[in-house]
Amino acid sequence: NAGVTQTPKFQVLKTGQSMTLQCAQDMNHNSMYWYRQDPGMGLRLIYYSASEGTTDKGEVPNGYNVSRLNKREFSLRLESAAPSQTSVYFCASSGRGRNSPLHFGNGTRLTVT
Amino acid sequence: GNSVTQMEGPVTLSEEAFLTINCTYTATGYPSLFWYVQYPGEGLQLLLKATKADDKGSNKGFEATYRKETTSFHLEKGSVQVSDSAVYFCALLYSNDYKLSFGAGTTVTVRA
Repeated sequence: NAGVTQTPKFQVLKTGQSMTLQCAQDMNHNSMYWYRQDPGMGLRLIYYSASEGTTDKGEVPNGYNVSRLNKREFSLRLESAAPSQTSVYFCASSGRGRNSPLHFGNGTRLTVT
Repeated sequence: GNSVTQMEGPVTLSEEAFLTINCTYTATGYPSLFWYVQYPGEGLQLLLKATKADDKGSNKGFEATYRKETTSFHLEKGSVQVSDSAVYFCALLYSNDYKLSFGAGTTVTVRA
């Protein structure tokens, strides 16, 4: 069972470079999310997509853009990377119902120098 | 505002010891409460949940009871194993929303 797949697993960027983090889920989930994880701060929501065709900002959207390409795929783009974006990024998805659990990918570790 | 506060770590225990990780919340309405666990090199996975006051969530020997009077959802396990070494996150789902809000995480290390 693939679940939620994120690529790449690791990435190093120079300040000002751009990149797209890819995420795909095979559970037919409606909702998808992008979080970043930083030491001592838990997970903070960057963007989410409640359903195909919709996206909304979370707590920390500045410097990021997202695309819900179809029901399976939800990408996160950094247009001009900054050292403050060094973090571990997690994609997650959830099914119908308020209390449906989130299913997470294994994360992308991004370093911006 | 709505928030989740959990016990700071790291916590180091010996095998078969009792584990408690405190979690308190502030929220309007009636949130649902969750514990997620993150094993090394992996994403988070749901450990247990409780959706209303006095509910007890349990899984893999872990338990947590939703206490509205103390706004708490403390995680407990009576006898930990080395395999329980992980980062544990308390999370809250607002009653008028469907986005989880996470605590800072507590790193637990269990030594043989």
